[in-house]
Amino acid sequence: KQEVTQIPAALSVPEGENLVLNCSFTDSAIYNLQWFRQDPGKGLTSLLLIQSSQREQTSGRLNASLDKSSGRSTLYIAASQPGDSATYLCAVSGNDMRFGAGTRLTVKP
Amino acid sequence: GAVVSQHPSRVICKSGTSVKIECRSLDFQATTMFWYRQFPKQSLMLMATSNEGSKATYEQGVEKDKFLINHASLTLSTLTVTSAHPEDSSFYICSAGSGASDGYTFGSGTRLTVV
Repeated sequence: KQEVTQIPAALSVPEGENLVLNCSFTDSAIYNLQWFRQDPGKGLTSLLLIQSSQREQTSGRLNASLDKSSGRSTLYIAASQPGDSATYLCAVSGNDMRFGAGTRLTVKP
Repeated sequence: GAVVSQHPSRVICKSGTSVKIECRSLDFQATTMFWYRQFPKQSLMLMATSNEGSKATYEQGVEKDKFLINHASLTLSTLTVTSAHPEDSSFYICSAGSGASDGYTFGSGTRLTVV
């Protein structure tokens, strides 16, 4: 069974900092990996989808990388803002789709 | 883009009653749908995988007789929580896709409260 781990569990940074969230998975036989954002009490917002054949995807201040062979992905957030405060989840799609426990990000003004 | 509609968004029911949650793919055919449960401050836990026209595959520890999943068409899957109890109160969310390589689209979730 695929296991997905996210580090750190929580992160608090001052506004403007660049930061990196980490995701690792145990089974490299995946189709793709997605990063999501979840605000408290809300559903999921898809941020980036990386296919297994890709190395990275970028959207605005977000950049996600994928190293399938080592079972790792990172989400880089540039110039963080208070509005980025949320829980960030990575999910890996193989035979099913499984989530990590998430990283709770707080960006302080 | 792909849209998945999930209803209801919130439901409050009495203990012992059953609740049905619907998940519809609006503009694509979903051969596979996943159902997840999320308890407060926890991540999404996969409950079951639903493929159109076949029985759902449940994760270990998820009671298939309690959480009935029906994926009768390529655009609709339903999750029925039978004989609900307060401990079933949770956030339930579905996702749908036509193939893993295309990614999956999530519904907006259903917050179930059993009183």
